[in-house]
Amino acid sequence: NAGVTQTPKFQVLKTGQSMTLQCAQDMNHNSMYWYRQDPGMGLRLIYYSASEGTTDKGEVPNGYNVSRLNKREFSLRLESAAPSQTSVYFCASSDLAGQETQYFGPGTRLLVL
Amino acid sequence: KQEVTQIPAALSVPEGENLVLNCSFTDSAIYNLQWFRQDPGKGLTSLLLIQSSQREQTSGRLNASLDKSSGRSTLYIAASQPGDSATYLCAVLSGANSKLTFGKGITLSVRP
Repeated sequence: NAGVTQTPKFQVLKTGQSMTLQCAQDMNHNSMYWYRQDPGMGLRLIYYSASEGTTDKGEVPNGYNVSRLNKREFSLRLESAAPSQTSVYFCASSDLAGQETQYFGPGTRLLVL
Repeated sequence: KQEVTQIPAALSVPEGENLVLNCSFTDSAIYNLQWFRQDPGKGLTSLLLIQSSQREQTSGRLNASLDKSSGRSTLYIAASQPGDSATYLCAVLSGANSKLTFGKGITLSVRP
């Protein structure tokens, strides 16, 4: 039981490049989330998916898109990376949308030059 | 808009000390409050979750309390150990869309 897995662990991009961050969970959870963590800003919600087939914007969605591919997988796409998107990205999942604890992945460290 | 505050940002204590970490939030209409631990370069690990109807939760040397009306929670760590050194984050679930709002965390260092 791996919990929540994220790939890649680390990525360097040039401004304007695109990439997709992958997240998968094996706990049969309904809800999945993408956060970014920045020094002095704490964790902020980018997008979430309360259940398979639904996605909603969080606090900082601009510059990102998401896809809930199936119940297990939730990807985050940066279409045209900007230096302001340099951050650590965390994926999380929970059984019921917000009702129970969220389980976090190990994070993806993204540097945009 | 819900805001969560954790003060101080950093704390250093000698091993064996009992300590209290504080968390405050502005909107008392919450569903639950969670305490997480984050080790350097790692993800978050849930420590305790307190539902809005509960007053406290305990797990081993950890005890978390919730006073919803005053917008406060405390995480009590008994007999601190160097292995407790980490960043502790408080998060509250609130709002129509059940969003988690995080504090910025308290970085704890327990000196041997």
